Amino acid sequence: GENVEQHPSTLSVQEGDSAVIKCTYSDSASNYFPWYKQELGKRPQLIIDIRSNVGEKKDQRIAVTLNKTAKHFSLHITETQPEDSAVYFCAANSGYSTLTFGKGTMLLVSP
Amino acid sequence: DAGVIQSPRHEVTEMGQEVTLRCKPISGHNSLFWYRQTMMRGLELLIYFNNNVPIDDSGMPEDRFSAKMPNASFSTLKIQPSEPRDSAVYFCASSSNQWSSGNTIYFGEGSWLTVV
Repeated sequence: GENVEQHPSTLSVQEGDSAVIKCTYSDSASNYFPWYKQELGKRPQLIIDIRSNVGEKKDQRIAVTLNKTAKHFSLHITETQPEDSAVYFCAANSGYSTLTFGKGTMLLVSP
Repeated sequence: DAGVIQSPRHEVTEMGQEVTLRCKPISGHNSLFWYRQTMMRGLELLIYFNNNVPIDDSGMPEDRFSAKMPNASFSTLKIQPSEPRDSAVYFCASSSNQWSSGNTIYFGEGSWLTVV
């Protein structure tokens, strides 16, 4: 099955800095890579996703890049704000419909 | 759409008691998932249903756990008997199999279970 590794486990940045979270996956058949944000006590919510037919996708301050050859993908957050503080999970699809999640990255943005 | 609806939101129970968690997926979604979240193990897939049929239950920890989906709008996850190590947040999630909406999985608010 799919195995997703996520780094770092914690990340502290100053407000306005950029943050980068990296993930690797094992199954070359995976073709869908979403990122979820989970605030304290809340549910994980999708913030951006990318499919294997593109290498990069942007949505305002967040972007995701995908390198299928190396089997890794990354989340980039620019101009970080305190409200970006949360746990971020990467995931890759396993089989037709299921997702395997990374262990999560706790991002802390200090004012 | 109200999203994925779970109940109860919080449950505190004594060791040995039966716990039943309930889930209503998003209308029209034909895949349903039960995930368990703990600090140590992160988000673990327990079981996955497609069109009400269990497809993969390899994540179910042991025989004390069981899940059913009697119809397209309802699923239960049961723990009997419960143990303190079952304390976790249990998320139900659903998705559509349509490529246009991808494998996007939508989570419910979670059921926070504490077994004392």
